[in-house]
Amino acid sequence: SSELTQDPAVSVALGQTVRITCQGDSLRSYYATWYQQKPGQAPVLVIYGKNNRPSGIPDRFSGSSSGNTASLTITGAQAEDEADYYCHSRDSSGNHLVFATGTKVTVL
Amino acid sequence: QITLKESGPMLVKPTQTLTLTCTFSGFSLSTTGVGVGWIRQPPGKALEWLALINWNDDKRYSPSLRSRLTITKDTSKNQVVLTMTNMDPVDTATYYCAHGVYGDYFRYWGQGTLVTVSS
Repeated sequence: SSELTQDPAVSVALGQTVRITCQGDSLRSYYATWYQQKPGQAPVLVIYGKNNRPSGIPDRFSGSSSGNTASLTITGAQAEDEADYYCHSRDSSGNHLVFATGTKVTVL
Repeated sequence: QITLKESGPMLVKPTQTLTLTCTFSGFSLSTTGVGVGWIRQPPGKALEWLALINWNDDKRYSPSLRSRLTITKDTSKNQVVLTMTNMDPVDTATYYCAHGVYGDYFRYWGQGTLVTVSS
């Protein structure tokens, strides 16, 4: 079983804010990385490290962490943000990587 | 510009060994901090990390698949090869390779290759 857990689905009204969470003991020690995946496409890195966005990722995406929970926040969600979002980090040993099961974000 | 591309068979039979090659450009796997990982995704399901090889030849494997996986690199050819033994229909998935940074995140991904396991 995955050592990182996410809610399966969340919805947000267009222009509103949504927070996606990822929980796991390893997140007390390691940063979470967040990927966006749209149907039929490869994942795209959206947040890494403490709260870093690769070039080309809109600043409406931000990351944060507290205790064993990491969060990805989309402030002012757009229609194009509708996608699956995956949290990724190291496992509790720190020696292996793990993906959570993903959250499907629907923009209403 | 960094690009990665996966190649290998689209169809394998149960019990066979799968060999996938990731051919990349725009970076060197001898650069400190750089790695290449393999991730798969069964149809309609979540991403699953499989293996990672780093610039210093450090290799990491998913604990649940460790006995079946081997990852190697050919720095001169800009290639990383993943082999998975004893393939089963549950291994049917899209297999991605990705450029890793200190094993913490994957910035660039290949387009993925769908591998179907069926007799």
